[in-house]
Amino acid sequence: AQTVTQSQPEMSVQEAETVTLSCTYDTSENNYYLFWYKQPPSRQMILVIRQEAYKQQNATENRFSVNFQKAAKSFSLKISDSQLGDTAMYFCACNNAGNMLTFGGGTRLMVKP
Amino acid sequence: DGGITQSPKYLFRKEGQNVTLSCEQNLNHDAMYWYRQDPGQGLRLIYYSQIVNDFQKGDIAEGYSVSREKKESFPLTVTSAQKNPTAFYLCASSNRLAGLTDTQYFGPGTRLTVL
Repeated sequence: AQTVTQSQPEMSVQEAETVTLSCTYDTSENNYYLFWYKQPPSRQMILVIRQEAYKQQNATENRFSVNFQKAAKSFSLKISDSQLGDTAMYFCACNNAGNMLTFGGGTRLMVKP
Repeated sequence: DGGITQSPKYLFRKEGQNVTLSCEQNLNHDAMYWYRQDPGQGLRLIYYSQIVNDFQKGDIAEGYSVSREKKESFPLTVTSAQKNPTAFYLCASSNRLAGLTDTQYFGPGTRLTVL
């Protein structure tokens, strides 16, 4: 069984600063994908970024980047130049061979003006 | 516009009643999923379907039922056997059958409240 753990229930950051959200996972799969989803107050789940486990290069999407440490089973999300619109719940997830996602418990991020 | 729609946005149910939540997608995705989200928690998989007329139980299928008669549609019925149905329900879809590369895209969700 897969597990995904987000150890920071809540975080805050000042607008324009950088914040890092932590995620650790455990899986028996040899090949898998990792995802970060954002859930704003509207509650729609929005894909932020994804990482293929067999790729060593960390994924980046504009202001969002990941630090993927495969041996440590760690997958943190860095948000640069934080904006008020980044305020949301952030969920880390891992899929398995059947493409079923296992989600972490989420981190609530507040961006302060 | 391509996307996933869920209806209704809010749903109220009396104890003992069955209710059906709608999920429709026009992305031509093969796979569809239903998740439940409780306050302050992550998502848990209820059911999934990788092809028409086939579906599988997820982690918390008890008290729920689904059908997949059309590729575009994957309705979820919350039955009276579900002991604690008040939650937020999210539907998702993805492109290929059991493919590791398939990102799941989500609908806007349905908030179900049992009175």
